[in-house]
Amino acid sequence: DIVMTQSPLSLPVTPGKPASISCRSSQSLLHDNGYKYLDWYLQKPGQSPQLLIFLGSNRASGVPDRFSGSGSGTDFTLKISRVEAEDVGIYFCMQALQTPITFGQGTRLEI
Amino acid sequence: QVKLVESGGGVVQPGGSLRLSCTASGFSFSAYAMHWVRQAPGKGLEWVAVISYDGDLKYYADSVKGRITISRDNSKNTLFLQVGRLKPGDTAMYYCARDRYQLPPATLGLDYWGQGALVTVSS
Repeated sequence: DIVMTQSPLSLPVTPGKPASISCRSSQSLLHDNGYKYLDWYLQKPGQSPQLLIFLGSNRASGVPDRFSGSGSGTDFTLKISRVEAEDVGIYFCMQALQTPITFGQGTRLEI
Repeated sequence: QVKLVESGGGVVQPGGSLRLSCTASGFSFSAYAMHWVRQAPGKGLEWVAVISYDGDLKYYADSVKGRITISRDNSKNTLFLQVGRLKPGDTAMYYCARDRYQLPPATLGLDYWGQGALVTVSS
């Protein structure tokens, strides 16, 4: 199974400042088709998870452009250019290359 | 709008079984692969199973293989998860989620999630 490791696990931030979350996979998520099968999700308090980024760097519909994803085959980063109060919650990365699909432990972003 | 509504959760004794349902609306259900993902209280997300748009392909997490069956009825826009030989470790919120793609094992992101169904395994 592909192991996903996130850091940090807790991230205190200041509104208006940038934030960055790292996700590392135990094997490359780069498919032969050139796509990187890595997604990012945000679970706000008391809510279901929501898709932020798919295929490493593509924002899902309705996701503000302050969120961006990047990375190589095994090292990925989610960046928030200017954190807003509504961004608090737990961020999860997920590898979508193969089953079993696996998630990172989650990063709690708090203001 | 897209909506996924889970039902069938509850309290079950160890060794018992349960069938969860996920009723979809607002989109062409038969065109998308569907997943079940669970979350134990205060814990992270754990992928459980996926089924292709037509029901022909199914994949399971090793932790539940042999005890869980995923299925779908496209005529009723409904996804199912049959869980047997339940253990206390199966206690979790169970979410159904839509895949942006049709055919597992590849997935292009889980873009819509239900509110979840809580399953508690306890005597």
